[in-house]
Amino acid sequence: EMKLLQSGGGLVQPGGSLRLSCGGSGFTFSSYAMSWVRQAPGKGLEWVSCISDSGVDTYYADSVKGRFIISRDNPNGTVSLHMHSLTAEDTAIYYCAKDPITRNYGVDVWGQGTAVIVSS
Amino acid sequence: DIQLTQSPSFLSASVGDRVTITCRASQDIYSYLAWYQQKPGKAPKFLIYAASTLQSGVPSRFSGSRSGTEFTLTISGLQPEDSATYYCQQLNSYPLVTFGGGTKVQI
Repeated sequence: EMKLLQSGGGLVQPGGSLRLSCGGSGFTFSSYAMSWVRQAPGKGLEWVSCISDSGVDTYYADSVKGRFIISRDNPNGTVSLHMHSLTAEDTAIYYCAKDPITRNYGVDVWGQGTAVIVSS
Repeated sequence: DIQLTQSPSFLSASVGDRVTITCRASQDIYSYLAWYQQKPGKAPKFLIYAASTLQSGVPSRFSGSRSGTEFTLTISGLQPEDSATYYCQQLNSYPLVTFGGGTKVQI
């Protein structure tokens, strides 16, 4: 069974930093790009960042560009999201996602989600 | 950026009803569209890809279609467990994907 298990998150003060991690199992981790998607309280889904299967290419939503850094460790099957200069607008549930190989598919594996609360 | 507009944002229906959710794209995204179901406190569940292909294990009462830049998700014979919020996602501009605003289905 394919799984993504997330860790990290929690309460952080405005301007602070936090790291989220996500470990994959049941599939060849290094063959898939990985993404982070977030959901603010009572709101819809927002794509945040993506990293290619090799880790060479990274992409960010404008709302987090310059503040968040995505990285991966293929030998250990993990992807991380390093978040800096956090604001209240970053408060959300963050999901890691196994990206599809082609545009003709979708996200078939999601992490369980981890809460990030930015508050003083 | 490609925008996805879902309608309605909320709908109430009864068990056994047929319901339709619409997702309109701001430009041509071909059939690069997926649908997800999300229940409170849970991660999204993958339902449909390529606009109309049912993901393995998804009940056949779910179906999707495309007409130009308008996409629909139909649930034929609504069941109590279908109470959830449904999202469309465009992958035409992958990896810069976007989601629709969501449709909450109340039974």
